[in-house]
Formats: sequence, C-alpha cells, structure tokens
Amino acid sequence: DIQMTQSPSSLSASVGDRVTITCQASQDISNYLNWYQQKPGKAPKLLIYDASNLETGVPSRFSGSGSGTDFTFTISSLQPEDIATYYCQQYDNLPRFTFGPGTKVDIK
Amino acid sequence: QVQLQESGPGLVKPSETLSLTCAVSGYSISSGYYWGWIRQPPGKGLEWIGSIYHSGSTYYNPSLKSRVTISVDTSKNQFSLKLSSVTAADTAVYYCARHDGRWRPWGQGTLVTVSS
Repeated sequence: DIQMTQSPSSLSASVGDRVTITCQASQDISNYLNWYQQKPGKAPKLLIYDASNLETGVPSRFSGSGSGTDFTFTISSLQPEDIATYYCQQYDNLPRFTFGPGTKVDIK
Repeated sequence: QVQLQESGPGLVKPSETLSLTCAVSGYSISSGYYWGWIRQPPGKGLEWIGSIYHSGSTYYNPSLKSRVTISVDTSKNQFSLKLSSVTAADTAVYYCARHDGRWRPWGQGTLVTVSS
C-alpha cells in the first residue's frame, strides 16, 4: 500500500503570510495527487487536482506543485477563511486511495 | 448540480451491522464514475472504505474488506454501505461521494456511533 506523510501536522500563521505544506508518498505516484480543505463540521472540498491544477471556483491564492514522491501545497496569502485542515490524497492505484494525515492551519 | 445525501441509523450496537444509504440527485449513477464511502473518526483523519463503479464492480480497503459490502440500486439512484461486526472503533462520520480519482461532490456526512 502507498503511504502518505504530511508536514507539518499543524501550523499557525498570520493573515497575509505565505503558508506551505508538504506531502510525501512512499513510492512514485507521478502526479496522481489531490489536495482537499476541510473546515470543522464540513465535508472535505477539492482544491487542487493532479498535483497542480486548480479546481474550478477555487481562489488563485491556492496552488500545488510536485511529482513523483514529493509534493507542495501553498497558500500565497493566508486569509481568515482559510482556517481548516488540509489533506493530500493519492490515487496512483485507482480506485484505491490513501489520504495523508492532515495539516491543521490556524491564525496566529 | 450533483448532490449526495447520506441516511441511516445514528446509533448501532456493538457486533451488529452498520447500514447507510447515499441518495444521488442531478446525475444518474449508471452513467459513469465511481461512487464511494469515506469515514472520519472524531478528531481524526480520512479513511477510504470502498467504492463501486457504475458497472457494479466493487473495490474495498484491504483493512476493512472482510466486513464491508457496497451495493448500488440504479432504480432508486442510490448506493449503500454495510459494515458488519462493528465495534467502538467504527464510530465515525461517514461520507459518500462521487469520484474518478478526484473526490467531488461529497455528501454532508452522517455521524454513526457504536454503543450499547
């Protein structure tokens, strides 16, 4: 099974800060990597698909990059409404999936 | 617009079978995509349970495979989850969603508590 790790597990940043989260796969997954945002009490929401593509309607301050085993998710300018937990998810062996453990983002 | 809605008992006794249904509107299940279940224990991360393809083929998380059954009812445009021999560790919010590698849209989720 493909294992996913994320770092950090949590972070606290100021409004306007650049925030970066990393996700690492236990084996090469090409670009089969998505990023989700989950706010408390809500279902996850797809933000980035195929490592770097912005889902329709998602603000451009969100971006993703990477391929193979190492991936990065960035919020270019943190906003109060971005407080959430962010998950990476691989689908190299569709339809089997693995999610990362999540990164909780707070406002400092 | 595609919408999904989970339904089922919110409380299940230990050793019994958890049964949930996901009603789909705005899209015919038989037209395509995978349809799946994900769960999230309180305060924890997301775990894929399993998926069913529009053709009826099923795929399960190996860690749950012996206890999971996912089925589809195209006449009602809904799909279902059964998880047998539940324990307190199965207490979670259960989500249904459509996917093709990308999971969207999602249902709102339903909390299932396993307790006597």
